[in-house]
Amino acid sequence: DAGVIQSPRHEVTEMGQEVTLRCKPISGHDYLFWYRQTMMRGLELLIYFNNNVPIDDSGMPEDRFSAKMPNASFSTLKIQPSEPRDSAVYFCASSYDVLERGDTQYFGPGTRLTVL
Amino acid sequence: GNSVTQMEGPVTLSEEAFLTINCTYTATGYPSLFWYVQYPGEGLQLLLKATKADDKGSNKGFEATYRKETTSFHLEKGSVQVSDSAVYFCALPNQAGTALIFGKGTTLSVSS
Repeated sequence: DAGVIQSPRHEVTEMGQEVTLRCKPISGHDYLFWYRQTMMRGLELLIYFNNNVPIDDSGMPEDRFSAKMPNASFSTLKIQPSEPRDSAVYFCASSYDVLERGDTQYFGPGTRLTVL
Repeated sequence: GNSVTQMEGPVTLSEEAFLTINCTYTATGYPSLFWYVQYPGEGLQLLLKATKADDKGSNKGFEATYRKETTSFHLEKGSVQVSDSAVYFCALPNQAGTALIFGKGTTLSVSS
């Protein structure tokens, strides 16, 4: 399997623009996670899906952020409008089962977002 | 809720030196414990994991033992290489057992 695929790898945009990050999970994985990594806050969960349904979005910072999973092989994280403080590395991860049943999350290479 | 604390870095070592990166946790029950590694410019890779107390996870010469008595999961390697230079994250599941909670990361720099 190719692993978790994310695109783009790098995104530079100007404040106020819409940004869309994309993720393709590992085939057969029922769980998909979006994390954000910043120097100040480290790695933090934004949202996760089970069988394409959002289960916990309590980590989404504000209404400017939205995430969708229209099918089992594709998810998007959208920021509209973007702000400089959204600059971070955004990781997508997937797993077959939940961690409490001994499974492991596999991470994509990340998208480095810079908002000017 | 569950939490993890790992030693602050950076850690700077010479090639072939012994490595220890400390990690302690607070958790309800005995969740799986993980070490992830992030090489420069890359994403997170699972390095090793342990799913129950007294288990030892190992990979690429790295080892960590799940010790419930001391609530620790310290990462060790007997002889580091320059290629081990990376950021290492200790992690465990949140209380719901769904997502990962990460430590702040420890940067390791190995020189030849």
